[in-house]
Amino acid sequence: SYVLTQPPSVSVAPGKTAKITCGGNNIGSKSVHWYQQKPGQAPVLVVHDDSDRPSGIPERFSGSNSANTATLTISRVEAGDEADYYCQLWDTSSDHVVFGGGTKLTVL
Amino acid sequence: EVQLVESGGGLVKPGGSLRLSCAASGFSFSSYSMNWVRQAPGKGLEWVSSINGGGGYTFDADSLKGRFTISRDNAKNSLYLQMNSLRAEDTAVYYCTREGSNWRESDYWGQGTLVTVSS
Repeated sequence: SYVLTQPPSVSVAPGKTAKITCGGNNIGSKSVHWYQQKPGQAPVLVVHDDSDRPSGIPERFSGSNSANTATLTISRVEAGDEADYYCQLWDTSSDHVVFGGGTKLTVL
Repeated sequence: EVQLVESGGGLVKPGGSLRLSCAASGFSFSSYSMNWVRQAPGKGLEWVSSINGGGGYTFDADSLKGRFTISRDNAKNSLYLQMNSLRAEDTAVYYCTREGSNWRESDYWGQGTLVTVSS
């Protein structure tokens, strides 16, 4: 089955840029989505189809996807961005939805 | 406004059964595929099952080994998850989600319902 690999944690200072990676075999050929989950809350979709933002999501959130790595970039990080972030895709070969293990973003 | 409200969670003994429900509103329910996604305490997200808008196609995680069944009633705008032969490792918050497009992202999530499997 398809595996998505995320770093367990990423730390960034306020105002700086955070990059959260999601690795997978030839992931660049697939459509990747990203979710933000704050403690005690349901996940929220922040990027879909590699780089599109749902309405209401700040432009500070952006995504890219190439070769074997997809990346969620958060610019001008704020304290309120501290959360767990998950990547997800649809593995068409198995018809299964796959989530990465999640990355805890800490704002220093 | 899109709303997804789960219910039916609770405490159940190992080997028992439980049926979760998700009441949908604010969109044309039958036009969207729906999912169940779960999250064990302190763990990550895990896809459980999906069903297409008409209810004729379903997909399940291999780890479930056929113990769970997803279904829907479009007349009632409701999604269900029948869970049988429950195990301690099924303890989790179960989320109902709506699929937003052809690439199966979950664009809306319910608040989740907690299932605890314990003797």
